[in-house]
This record gives sequence, structure tokens and C-alpha cells, in this order.
Amino acid sequence: QVQLQESGPGLVKPSETLSLTCVVSGGSVSGYYWSWIRQSPGKELEWIGYIYSRGSTSYNPSLKSRVTVSIDTSKNQVSLKLSSATAADTAVYSCARGNPSALGVFDYWGQGALVTVSS
Amino acid sequence: VIWVTQSPSLLSASAGDRVTISCRMSQGISTYLAWYRQKPGKAPDLLIYTASTLQSGVPSRFSGSGSGTDFTLTISSLQSEDFATYYCQQYYNFPWTFGPGTKVEIK
Repeated sequence: QVQLQESGPGLVKPSETLSLTCVVSGGSVSGYYWSWIRQSPGKELEWIGYIYSRGSTSYNPSLKSRVTVSIDTSKNQVSLKLSSATAADTAVYSCARGNPSALGVFDYWGQGALVTVSS
Repeated sequence: VIWVTQSPSLLSASAGDRVTISCRMSQGISTYLAWYRQKPGKAPDLLIYTASTLQSGVPSRFSGSGSGTDFTLTISSLQSEDFATYYCQQYYNFPWTFGPGTKVEIK
């Protein structure tokens, strides 16, 4: 059973960079698309971006200028960096695996990590 | 950006009930639609994709229909584990977008 576990600082200061890691167990990151998705309090789920295991990426235009998603196949993990964080970036951040049969469908999700942006 | 709406936002039902949740897109997406169930404190579970394809391992009481802008998720007989929040999501265009969710609660 594929499992995803996000980790990283739960508190980030405004203007700093939010960084999270998603460790994948029970399966390989190779050959799949990996996305980051967030949900701010009282708001809808927002897709942040994805990376394919060979390194190609696609980002939500609303966040593109501040987002970097990377992958480390040797560690079987995916990472997210969101620069110039503001209070609006406070959210639960989840990583998810792309369904190999349908790009854009997420068949495994992590539990999510709450990140609060506050001084 | 394709905007996604869901109705109702809250649905009260009893175990064994047949329930239907609607999802509407701001523009046509063919059948590039997925449905997820999220139990409290848990990660979402993929239920259906391409509007009507049941994900492997998902019980047959779940079914999906629709194309273009209007879609429906039906649960034929509500079970205890189905009291949760349901989200639809389009993957026709970037950025992929989700609906606001429908919470199914015990009546």
C-alpha cells in the first residue's frame, strides 16, 4: 500500500520560504506524477503544482512565481518550496500521487501538514 | 480558470438512504471529472474518475454520471463510513480545480 507522509515546519514567518517534504513508502516515485495541494481554513482545495519523476513540472498560475516542486528519486521523496509566504498561505498542505491512467486524478494522498504563516 | 460548484453544501441523510450530489462546471470539461470522499481527519479517497469510472477497490454503491458541465455522484445505500465530505474536481484544463465540497451528515 502506497503511503505518503508530509513533514516540515509548522510555523513560517511572513516573507520567508515555506518548505515541505513528502516521503513516499510502499512504492516508488519513479514513473508517476506527484502533486501538491493545499486547503486554507474555510476555503477550497487548491492544486499547487506537479512534478513528473523525470523532472518536468507544471504549476498553478496563481502561485507559479513563488513555487518550486522538486523530486529526489534516491530518497523517494518530493519537496515543495513556496517563497515570500504571507498569512494567505496558511493551509494544510498535502502531497498526492497522480493516477497513471488519468493525468490530473489523485489516487493516493498524504494526511497533510498544517503550516501557519505568522510572526 | 474553470470554476466548480457543488450542491447541496450540506446533506442530512440516514444509513441506507440513496443520496445524490451535484457538481457543475463554469465551462464544458467533457468527462474529465473526479470524485473524492474525505472522512474527518483523513486523506481524501479517490472514488470515481472520467466521470463514471469506479476506482479499483471502491464499493459499487458509488456511481457517477454526466458530461460537459453537469455531473452527479450517487451513493445507492449510505453506509456509516460514507458520512464524510465529498469533492468533485476537474482535470480538463490547468489549473486543476476542486469544488467546495458537500458534507454528508447523519440525520
